Amino acid sequence: EDQVTQSPEALRLQEGESSSLNCSYTVSGLRGLFWYRQDPGKGPEFLFTLYSAGEEKEKERLKATLTKKESFLHITAPKPEDSATYLCAVQRGWGGSNYKLTFGKGTLLTVNP
Amino acid sequence: NAGVTQTPKFQVLKTGQSMTLQCAQDMNHNSMYWYRQDPGMGLRLIYYSASEGTTDKGEVPNGYNVSRLNKREFSLRLESAAPSQTSVYFCASSTGWVAKNIQYFGAGTRLSVL
Repeated sequence: EDQVTQSPEALRLQEGESSSLNCSYTVSGLRGLFWYRQDPGKGPEFLFTLYSAGEEKEKERLKATLTKKESFLHITAPKPEDSATYLCAVQRGWGGSNYKLTFGKGTLLTVNP
Repeated sequence: NAGVTQTPKFQVLKTGQSMTLQCAQDMNHNSMYWYRQDPGMGLRLIYYSASEGTTDKGEVPNGYNVSRLNKREFSLRLESAAPSQTSVYFCASSTGWVAKNIQYFGAGTRLSVL
């Protein structure tokens, strides 16, 4: 069974204080790892997909990295508007149903001004 | 470009009532999905449709039925609502290709069953 564990559950930062969110996973051959952002009362919004260990992607103050066991979402000099819940999900590479995603429970990030 | 549209946005039901949640996408995607999101549980897959004409159970299908009406529309039906079905429901769609299968989500339906 595919599993995704995100830590910490909640993170509170001061504006400008850089940090990282962790997503560890167990999956039958990773085809893709996805990061989403979810604002209160809204649906998840796609941020990044990573496909192989060593891959990195960046968008504004966010950078996602991937190893064979985990992914990190690095947030550099965050602003209050970065406050949201960040979700990680994996897509398996084989074993059937290999277009479904398994989600973690998310990390609630709060950035104080 | 609307993306994925869900209706209604909010709904209150009494135990035993039935209702259908509607979802439509305008991205010409092959695959569609229904999730529920509960505090502390994350997103859990209820049903999915890999392509028009096919549907399959996900992680938590009990108490639900689905219909893939056409390529654009995928509905979720609660035949006899129970308080345990109080949740936020999200519909998503994706190309359906195994590679680069990014799912795009709607804004959600917030359902309360009293």
